[in-house]
Amino acid sequence: NAGVMQNPRHLVRRRGQEARLRCSPMKGHSHVYWYRQLPEEGLKFMVYLQKENIIDESGMPKERFSAEFPKEGPSILRIQQVVRGDSAAYFCASSDLDSGELFFGEGSRLTVL
Amino acid sequence: GNSVTQMEGPVTLSEEAFLTINCTYTATGYPSLFWYVQYPGEGLQLLLKATKADDKGSNKGFEATYRKETTSFHLEKGSVQVSDSAVYFCALSESGGGADGLTFGKGTHLIIQP
Repeated sequence: NAGVMQNPRHLVRRRGQEARLRCSPMKGHSHVYWYRQLPEEGLKFMVYLQKENIIDESGMPKERFSAEFPKEGPSILRIQQVVRGDSAAYFCASSDLDSGELFFGEGSRLTVL
Repeated sequence: GNSVTQMEGPVTLSEEAFLTINCTYTATGYPSLFWYVQYPGEGLQLLLKATKADDKGSNKGFEATYRKETTSFHLEKGSVQVSDSAVYFCALSESGGGADGLTFGKGTHLIIQP
């Protein structure tokens, strides 16, 4: 049973470009969370989604960041017009309704030049 | 709001030493408490958890007891190994780790020397 799959594992972008990070949850999981880990920091909650719905986006920056979890396909975290401060590791986690336990992917490391 | 405070790292120990990583929390309700471990280049893995006061979570020789009176969930291991070198995150959730996600501490980098 495959775990949470994130891609790309590493992404390099120049300032002003767009970054798209993908997350496929564990089979049977309908809840997806995105977290950001800045260097030397803990993980900060960004957004919580269920299929086709954003449940809580209180941790998302108000501009340039968006997330979706369509009916078919992976969840996508999109960062437009990236800046150097967006350089971080972005982790996705998924859970199901029964256990509530979060399972994390290996992360996508974004570097903005 | 909720918050988690854990001891700053790095913590450097010799193999077979006793480990304690302190964690205290602030929460409005009665949260579940977790320790996650992150090995180099990998994602987070759940190490152990406790869902109510006085519960003890344990796994791979690590233990932590949910202390409501001191709002603490300190991580301990009696004899550490080089393979335990990693970053350890204390976390809490008001809903058992599900619906509202997790609030994390900043992490403690543990280095075990042979």
